[in-house]
Amino acid sequence: EVQLVESGGGLVQPGGSLRLSCSASGFTFSSYAMHWVRQAPGKGLEYVSAISNTGGSTDYADSVKGRFTISRDNSKNALYLQVSSLRAEDTAVYYCVRPRERVIGFTAPFEFWGQGTLVTVSS
Amino acid sequence: EIVLTQSPATLSLSPGERATLSCRASQSVSNSYLAWYQQKPGQAPRLLIYGASTRATGIPDRFSGSGSGTDFTLTISRLEPDDFAVYYCQQYGSSRALIFGGGTKVEIK
Repeated sequence: EVQLVESGGGLVQPGGSLRLSCSASGFTFSSYAMHWVRQAPGKGLEYVSAISNTGGSTDYADSVKGRFTISRDNSKNALYLQVSSLRAEDTAVYYCVRPRERVIGFTAPFEFWGQGTLVTVSS
Repeated sequence: EIVLTQSPATLSLSPGERATLSCRASQSVSNSYLAWYQQKPGQAPRLLIYGASTRATGIPDRFSGSGSGTDFTLTISRLEPDDFAVYYCQQYGSSRALIFGGGTKVEIK
């Protein structure tokens, strides 16, 4: 059974940083690209970032480019999102997502989602 | 940048009725790389449809997707109580367009 468990969220002041983690199990982690998607309270879904299976290719939404860094450790079956220079509008639940299939690039639908970790940016 | 517009924003229907949700793209979606997700309060989204019309694993056949190019539709043939939720479309045709529509809330009338 595929399981994705996020952690690392919390309350942080504007301008602060956090490192979000996602622990994956139930599949060959190193074979899949992985993604982060966020959802602000009461709002819709927003794609944040993606990383290829090897970590050699990454992608970011324009809203987070230069402030967030995605990475992975395939030896630990772990995905990370370093979030920095945080703003109030970054307040959201951050989901770790595995696509449905292994593809070159990031063009696959999102089949498996974690339960999310809440990041609150406030003074 | 591609934009996905979902309509209506809210759909008020009774159990047993048919629901028709629309997702319109500002540019043609390559290879019909269009997915639909269902999200209930306090839960993560669930993949319903991908490739515009293929049901994901375990999705009941009352859910169907159709469309191509810029116009896509999710149809729920007969609403069950468990189907009242928010539905999102997503285009996944390129890494620069992994975007979601704004969502349609299907509520009980």
